[in-house]
Parts: sequence; C-alpha cells; structure tokens
Amino acid sequence: DIHMTQAPSSLSASVGDIVTITCRASQRIDTYLNWYQQTPGRAPKLLISRASNLQSGVPSRFSGSGSGTDFTLSISSMQPEDFATYYCQQSYSTPTTFGPGTKVDIK
Amino acid sequence: QVQLVQSGAEVKKPGASVKVSCKASGNTFISNYMHWVRQVPGRGPQWMGVISPGGTASYAQKFQGRVTMTRDTSTGTLHMELSSLGFEDTAVYYCARDKYSTSQDLDFWGQGTLVTVSS
Repeated sequence: DIHMTQAPSSLSASVGDIVTITCRASQRIDTYLNWYQQTPGRAPKLLISRASNLQSGVPSRFSGSGSGTDFTLSISSMQPEDFATYYCQQSYSTPTTFGPGTKVDIK
Repeated sequence: QVQLVQSGAEVKKPGASVKVSCKASGNTFISNYMHWVRQVPGRGPQWMGVISPGGTASYAQKFQGRVTMTRDTSTGTLHMELSSLGFEDTAVYYCARDKYSTSQDLDFWGQGTLVTVSS
C-alpha cells in the first residue's frame, strides 16, 4: 500500500494568513492526489482532485500543486470557515490511502 | 443534489456483527461506484472497499473475509456488514460516491454512522 504523510500535523493561523500544507507519498503517484477538508462532526469534503483541480463551489483561495511524491495545499487568505482538518488522499492505486491529517486552528 | 443518508449509531459487543445502510438519491445509485470508508476519531480515513453499479464488490485486504458490501436496487440502498467486531472497529463509517467510475475521487459522502464496540 502507498503510505501518505502530511506536515505539519497541526498549525495555528489567523484570519487573512497564508497557509501551506504538504503531503508526501511513499512512491510516485503522478498527480493522483486529492485534498479533503473536514470540520468536527462532519464528513470529509472534496476540495481538490488530481493535485490541482478545484472542485465546483470551492473558493479560489484554495490551490493545490505537485506531482510525483510531493504535493502542497495552499490557502491564500484564511477565512473563519477554513479552520478545519485537511487530508490528502492518493487515488493512483487500490487501496486508496489517506494521510493522517493537518489540523488548522485559530491562533 | 446528491444525498446519501446513513442509518443511525450502533453499539455492539465484541464478536458481534454490524450492518450499516446508506440510501442514495436519484441516479447515484444506478450509475456510480460507491465506497465505504471508516474513520477512527482523530485519525485519517481508512478505505474499506467499493461496490460497482452492477453489485460487484472489492474489499481492502485488511477487511477481506470480514466485510460484505451489497446494493438493494429495489430500495436504492447500500449495505455494509462487518463481522467479528473488535474494540479497534470503533469508528465512524461513511459511504461515499465515486465521482468518475473508479477514480477514487469521493465527491459526496453520507453523514456517517458511529459504531461503538463495547463490552
């Protein structure tokens, strides 16, 4: 199975801050990398697919980049509703696997 | 709008089985591959398996022999049954729609079903 790691595991930010989260795969996965946002008590929400494709309705302050083994999720200006936990997921091979998450809370 | 509505929370004893259901709206049930994913609180999601529109299921090796996924076309409902429960199976269980065939891009999720294994 492909192992996914994320850094940092948590971070504190203020409204308006730029936030960057990284994700690394244990082997090359081309651009088969998705990002999800999860708030407490809710299901994960797909934000970005194939490393950089923003899903319909997701604000443009979210962006994704990367290929191979290293990926980045960026939020250009944190908004109150963005404080959540973010997960990466590789969709390159079965079983699909998720990272352990990055929790973004308010500074 | 796609809606996936899951059954309510369950409490089970070790060694028992649990069956979680997921009712899908509209054409989702007919057209899409559907996944089951579980999540232990505070940890990343864990993929359990997928079922095709035709009802063919494929399971993660970790759950092989212990999980069964089915589709009931008469009611538009998916079912996931997990047997021989242990304490480590305490988690929130989700059904999720695959956006494109077997892309594994999960674009709609049910609200989750908490399964607690307790003696």
